[in-house]
Parts: sequence; C-alpha cells; structure tokens
Amino acid sequence: DGGITQSPKYLFRKEGQNVTLSCEQNLNHDAMYWYRQDPGQGLRLIYYSQIVNDFQKGDIAEGYSVSREKKESFPLTVTSAQKNPTAFYLCASSGRDRGDTEAFFGQGTRLTVV
Amino acid sequence: GQSLEQPSEVTAVEGAIVQINCTYQTSGFYGLSWYQQHDGGAPTFLSYNALDGLEETGRFSSFLSRSDSYGYLLLQELQMKDSASYFCAFNDYKLSFGAGTTVTVRA
Repeated sequence: DGGITQSPKYLFRKEGQNVTLSCEQNLNHDAMYWYRQDPGQGLRLIYYSQIVNDFQKGDIAEGYSVSREKKESFPLTVTSAQKNPTAFYLCASSGRDRGDTEAFFGQGTRLTVV
Repeated sequence: GQSLEQPSEVTAVEGAIVQINCTYQTSGFYGLSWYQQHDGGAPTFLSYNALDGLEETGRFSSFLSRSDSYGYLLLQELQMKDSASYFCAFNDYKLSFGAGTTVTVRA
C-alpha cells in the first residue's frame, strides 16, 4: 500500500535534547513538507523540499533542521534551540508541480517536552 | 506576501448547510484546495478548484472565483461526523494552509 509513515507516534524529550522525527513515503512524490500544529491552531510550515538534496525554510524554521538525502525520506530534527517544541508535527508529500495540491499526510508525531 | 483567511469556527445543526469562506493572496495562484481534519488526526484532501466555478463531490461542493481571490466550501446535509476542522490551501511551490475553520455539528 502506498502512503506516508511518520514515527514515532508519541515522543517525549527532555529539555536541552535534540530529537529526530522520521517521515517516509512510497508515493514517488518529489515534494515533502513538515508542519507544526498547536492545539486549536492551523498548520504552520517548518521546512519543505521539492527535490532530493534541496530544501527551503518555511515560516517557522528556527530551532529545526532537515535533510533530504533520499526521495523517500525527509527527517526533521527538533534542536535544543527550539524553545517551545511541544506540538503535533505533521509530514506531507505531494507532486512537485505548481497547483499540485493533493497532499498526503502521515498520522503525525506528538512531541512533548518533559 | 501570501495569506489565506477563513473564519475560525462555525456551528450548525444536523441536516443544515454550512459555507466556509476563504480569501487568499499570493503572487502565483494555480488553484485552491480544501482539507478536512478530525481532532487528533491527519488532514485529508477533499477537493481542488483550478478554474472558476463549482465542483461537486457528494455532499461537499467547492467554489472558486479567481477574479475575487475567493473560494468557499459548502457542506450540505450536515452529519455529526462532519464535525472537524476544514482548511483551504494553495501550492505556489510551497503548500500553504489557512488557519482552519472548526465546524461543530449539533444534534
């Protein structure tokens, strides 16, 4: 079955630690995205990548880093520089063409700082 | 800059009709999409309008007016399961979402 998989579903982090969230897709999509969602809020774009070995900052990139070494994978690292990392993180993928707006989302990772 | 504006919440009774408006601003526009997200879940794609007019998909319809930079999602024959958040979105090389409209359906 084609889809997009995020892991883990729940993650607990101590203050000052870096953590990496996994996102893998087998939809052969060029574009991948990371969003942050706070309770009752919308989807805020952290980073996006249109092609392997290239990625761009979104609206709230500070305190986060990504890599795109393979088409299928787009991991997100939440660094200790992110002051308020507790949130729901969603990864998505889509075709690369402008207007290609049918994105597929993973089930999300809920990160909590303890 | 880029922006999408939509109302924060709407409440209606079962069987009613709800319209969620979305106004947008972007330098390059190719179409408007709508997504549904149930509480705690992943957003799922509902519809896409590239051209002006109405697109109908079952109980849901979506409308676009490019000249007015405006679109809406119409939910008909509301059911309890339609209680969710609804987002409008566009893709100008980065997929951007509105803040979402929470729809609450009452019995």
